[in-house]
Amino acid sequence: TQLLEQSPQFLSIQEGENLTVYCNSSSVFSSLQWYRQEPGEGPVLLVTVVTGGEVKKLKRLTFQFGDARKDSSLHITAAQPGDTGLYLCAGRVLGGGADGLTFGKGTHLIIQP
Amino acid sequence: ETGVTQTPRHLVMGMTNKKSLKCEQHLGHNAMYWYKQSAKKPLELMFVYSLEERVENNSVPSRFSPECPNSSHLFLHLHTLQPEDSALYLCASSPATRFTEQFFGPGTRLTVL
Repeated sequence: TQLLEQSPQFLSIQEGENLTVYCNSSSVFSSLQWYRQEPGEGPVLLVTVVTGGEVKKLKRLTFQFGDARKDSSLHITAAQPGDTGLYLCAGRVLGGGADGLTFGKGTHLIIQP
Repeated sequence: ETGVTQTPRHLVMGMTNKKSLKCEQHLGHNAMYWYKQSAKKPLELMFVYSLEERVENNSVPSRFSPECPNSSHLFLHLHTLQPEDSALYLCASSPATRFTEQFFGPGTRLTVL
């Protein structure tokens, strides 16, 4: 069983459309991060959410942390081909002893021109 | 140079070879990490170092041997690997362990024949 479940696994849409991807868990997280990874590169941090219910915006990207801090969503408005990539959520379980991050499998996003 | 660098970017080795992966961070961070990224699996934490001391080892086979000579450099020594060890090996750093955000290098794509 995955600690962090991401959905959908794959998403291919046309340029200009809106989309939402999800990151869910049965565990409470002290913080969640979203990363984007392009082929042949390492993940690049997009945002960190810490407070339940928190909403952060990064240009056309809107990130939300669930009230119970068990889930998060990423909404992209008017998607562009440059948004193509693997979107990963990662976090630390509240009270967990691990020093590294727990990652989901990611959502592969393709924006077609 | 800035950020986190990794060399080599690509490596092909036989099962009887010995090779080493190198990671260098130019961010002044005190914590460094090795992750393994395989197809269809989430990033797996392998090793964590804090101020050159190993603080976490997630049941990684002994054919992987990490070394952290100082807080800026991290190595992963490889010997007698198996084909299933083929993956993208990512190095990351953070100001301290349990810091919310980690910064990743571009990875080494390893193929074991």
